[in-house]
Amino acid sequence: DGGITQSPKYLFRKEGQNVTLSCEQNLNHDAMYWYRQDPGQGLRLIYYSQIVNDFQKGDIAEGYSVSREKKESFPLTVTSAQKNPTAFYLCASSGPTGSSYNEQFFGPGTRLTVL
Amino acid sequence: SQQGEEDPQALSIQEGENATMNCSYKTSINNLQWYRQNSGRGLVHLILIRSNEREKHSGRLRVTLDTSKKSSSLLITASRAADTASYFCATDAWDRDDKIIFGKGTRLHILP
Repeated sequence: DGGITQSPKYLFRKEGQNVTLSCEQNLNHDAMYWYRQDPGQGLRLIYYSQIVNDFQKGDIAEGYSVSREKKESFPLTVTSAQKNPTAFYLCASSGPTGSSYNEQFFGPGTRLTVL
Repeated sequence: SQQGEEDPQALSIQEGENATMNCSYKTSINNLQWYRQNSGRGLVHLILIRSNEREKHSGRLRVTLDTSKKSSSLLITASRAADTASYFCATDAWDRDDKIIFGKGTRLHILP
C-alpha cells in the first residue's frame, strides 16, 4: 500500500525531554511537511522540505528541529525549548516541487502530551 | 499567517439536508483546496479548484470559486452521518513555494 505513516500514535513526554516523531512516505513525493494542530484550530506549518538535505522553517519553527536525510523520511524533534508542545502533530507530503498540482497527503497524526 | 477563514465555525444539520460552508482568503491564489478531517485523524483531500475555474463537482460535492470576491464555497448535497467532520479550505500561490495555508475549519455535525 502506498501512503504516509506516522509513529507513535500517542506520545507522552516529561518536561525537559526531547522527543522525536517519525514520518515516512512511500509515495515518491519530493516535498514533506510538519504541521501542528491545537484543539478546534487549523493547521500551522512548523517545517517543510522540498528536497533531500534541505528544509525551511514554517510559521512556528521555534523549539522544533527536523532532518531530511532520505526522501522517504522527515522526522520532527520537539525540543525542551518548545514551551507548550502538547498538540496534535500531522505530517504530509506532496508531489513534484514546482507543480501547480499541490494536493497534500496526510499521515494519521501523533498526539503529544507533556506530563 | 492565516489565509483562509471558514464560515460558519460550526454547523449542525439534519441528515439528508444540504450543507454549505464558505471560505474567504486575503491574497491572490493559484489553487484552492478543500480537505476533510475526522476527529483525531489526518486530513483527507476532497477537491482542488484552480484559480481559472469557477465551479467543480465531485460526487455529492460542489465547489465554487469567486476570485473577484476572494471566496469559495463547498456544498455537500444529501448529507449523511458519515459526513460529520471538520472541513478546511487551503490555498497556495506562486510566491509561496509549495506551501499551502489552511483555514481554521468548519465543524459539521449531521443529526440523525
